[in-house]
Amino acid sequence: AQSVTQLDSQVPVFEEAPVELRCNYSSSVSVYLFWYVQYPNQGLQLLLKYLSGSTLVKGINGFEAEFNKSQTSFHLRKPSVHISDTAEYFCAVSVRNTGGFKTIFGAGTRLFVKA
Amino acid sequence: KAGVTQTPRYLIKTRGQQVTLSCSPISGHRSVSWYQQTPGQGLQFLFEYFSETQRNKGNFPGRFSGRQFSNSRSEMNVSTLELGDSALYLCASSDSSLNTEAFFGQGTRLTVV
Repeated sequence: AQSVTQLDSQVPVFEEAPVELRCNYSSSVSVYLFWYVQYPNQGLQLLLKYLSGSTLVKGINGFEAEFNKSQTSFHLRKPSVHISDTAEYFCAVSVRNTGGFKTIFGAGTRLFVKA
Repeated sequence: KAGVTQTPRYLIKTRGQQVTLSCSPISGHRSVSWYQQTPGQGLQFLFEYFSETQRNKGNFPGRFSGRQFSNSRSEMNVSTLELGDSALYLCASSDSSLNTEAFFGQGTRLTVV
């Protein structure tokens, strides 16, 4: 079975500081990896995805993530955060099964950017 | 291209009642998934429909059910509502042949009183 662990439930950070949101997964088969962002009272929006190829993936709003197969991690980073980045971030793993694809989400990390 | 549309946005129901939520996926998307989001449990997968068939199912009681129509629109139904069913219900559609990403609606906030 697959699982996703987001190691931090909350991450407070000052504006313009760098940030890393950690995500580890477990799976016995190949996976697709995603990071989504959720603003208050909204649905989830895709930040970036890893399907194959280069392990460094760049997404929207200046975010990037690196797929590390040996450590089964997919950490999200941003070199300089803004107040507007305050939101909840979800890591997700998608695997192919007999029924198609199944996507599992982590518990989420709440990023709080302080002025 | 219009996004995923969920109706209604907000709903208040009484314990014991039943409720139906609706989701219209992005045009051309045949896969629709439903999730329950609560502060305590996070995002939990309910079920996925593809071409009018339930293809994947999460670990929810039989009170939670769904269906998909020939135009890919989906509904989920919760019967005999409990206080613990209060949550944000999110619908996501995808082009499941590629599974490049899921597109989410804004959700339906259900409050059971």
